[in-house]
Amino acid sequence: DIQMTQSPSFLSATVGDRVTINCKASQNINKYLNWYQQKLGEAPKRLIYNTNSLQTGIPSRFSGSGSGTDYTLTISSLQPEDVATYFCLQHNSGPYTFGAGTKLELK
Amino acid sequence: QVQLKESGPGLVQPSQTLSLTCTVSGFSLTSYNVHWVRQPPGKGLEWMGRMRYNGDTSYNSALKSRLSISRDTSKNQVFLKMNSLQTDDTGTYYCTRDHRNNYGVFFDYWGQGVMVTVSS
Repeated sequence: DIQMTQSPSFLSATVGDRVTINCKASQNINKYLNWYQQKLGEAPKRLIYNTNSLQTGIPSRFSGSGSGTDYTLTISSLQPEDVATYFCLQHNSGPYTFGAGTKLELK
Repeated sequence: QVQLKESGPGLVQPSQTLSLTCTVSGFSLTSYNVHWVRQPPGKGLEWMGRMRYNGDTSYNSALKSRLSISRDTSKNQVFLKMNSLQTDDTGTYYCTRDHRNNYGVFFDYWGQGVMVTVSS
């Protein structure tokens, strides 16, 4: 199984900050990497698919990058509504696996 | 529009069987795969298994001995059954989808989830 190591587990930042969250796969996942935002009590919402494609309706301050085993989600200018937990997901091969999550809070 | 909705009992007794239904609309089960994903309280997400567009199934090996996924295409429903439930099976269960050959659709829409508590 492909293991996804996500960092950091917790992040505290100020409105307007540039924020980065990382996921490292245990093997090459060929850019089949999605990012999700999950707010308390809600289902995950897809932000980015296939490493760098922005989901329709998601603000352009969210972006993704990476290749091989290393991937990054960037929020260019943090907004109050971005407080949430963020997960990565690899769908290169089954079983599909998620990162453990990054809880993002406002400082 | 695309919708997925989970339904099922909120409380299951230990050692009993969990039965959940995912009812979909806005897309065809003969073109899309439907997956089940679960999340223990305060923890991360775990892929459980999937019903493929052609009726084939695949399961997470950690759950394979207890899990069964089936469907009724006439009712646009996918079913999950998991036996021998224990307290660590408590969590929110989601269904989601991907397309048979379009990787851009992978897990784009999710149901709202159903909370299942395993307790006597």
